[in-house]
Amino acid sequence: TQLLEQSPQFLSIQEGENLTVYCNSSSVFSSLQWYRQEPGEGPVLLVTVVTGGEVKKLKRLTFQFGDARKDSSLHITAAQPGDTGLYLCAGVANFGNEKLTFGTGTRLTIIP
Amino acid sequence: NAGVTQTPKFQVLKTGQSMTLQCAQDMNHEYMSWYRQDPGMGLRLIHYSVGAGITDQGEVPNGYNVSRSTTEDFPLRLLSAAPSQTSVYFCASSRSTDSGNTIYFGEGSWLTVV
Repeated sequence: TQLLEQSPQFLSIQEGENLTVYCNSSSVFSSLQWYRQEPGEGPVLLVTVVTGGEVKKLKRLTFQFGDARKDSSLHITAAQPGDTGLYLCAGVANFGNEKLTFGTGTRLTIIP
Repeated sequence: NAGVTQTPKFQVLKTGQSMTLQCAQDMNHEYMSWYRQDPGMGLRLIHYSVGAGITDQGEVPNGYNVSRSTTEDFPLRLLSAAPSQTSVYFCASSRSTDSGNTIYFGEGSWLTVV
């Protein structure tokens, strides 16, 4: 079983600060996804990274896939209260195989 | 846009009772799956299906059955509920694209077994 560990598990910061969330594994993934989940709802896909070293930006969010495709990071610049939520990374072992392995999650709270 | 629809939203069961969580999608996706989400453990795959008539076990299949008679529906059955099955259950469907899988989740079903 491939495991994905996220850190930190909980993060509470002031509005306007920057933060980075990490997703690490000892296994190689063909692609990695990041989701955000709000209370009472299902996870919503933010981004998919496929190539080792790939960097994708989504407004104030920057996602990076590690060169060895074993880890990923999510960096948020100038955090806003609307960024509050549970952030989940999920890895796909083999391209075309749609089974996901989810990380343990990072619960982010942005304080106004 | 309906997307992935799960029912019921909330359910309380007594130990030993059986029930079915319903899941339907209107996006003509071949791949559907069920996950459970527990505190500190992320989402764990219970069962999945790559198309009508085909199902397979995920990471935590014990105590659950599934069937896929149509592309649209993928019900999850608890045969004899146990307190360890208290959790939030998510159904998902997906399609493959050139940049990977795009997965859509339902809103979740909160199940409590007493």
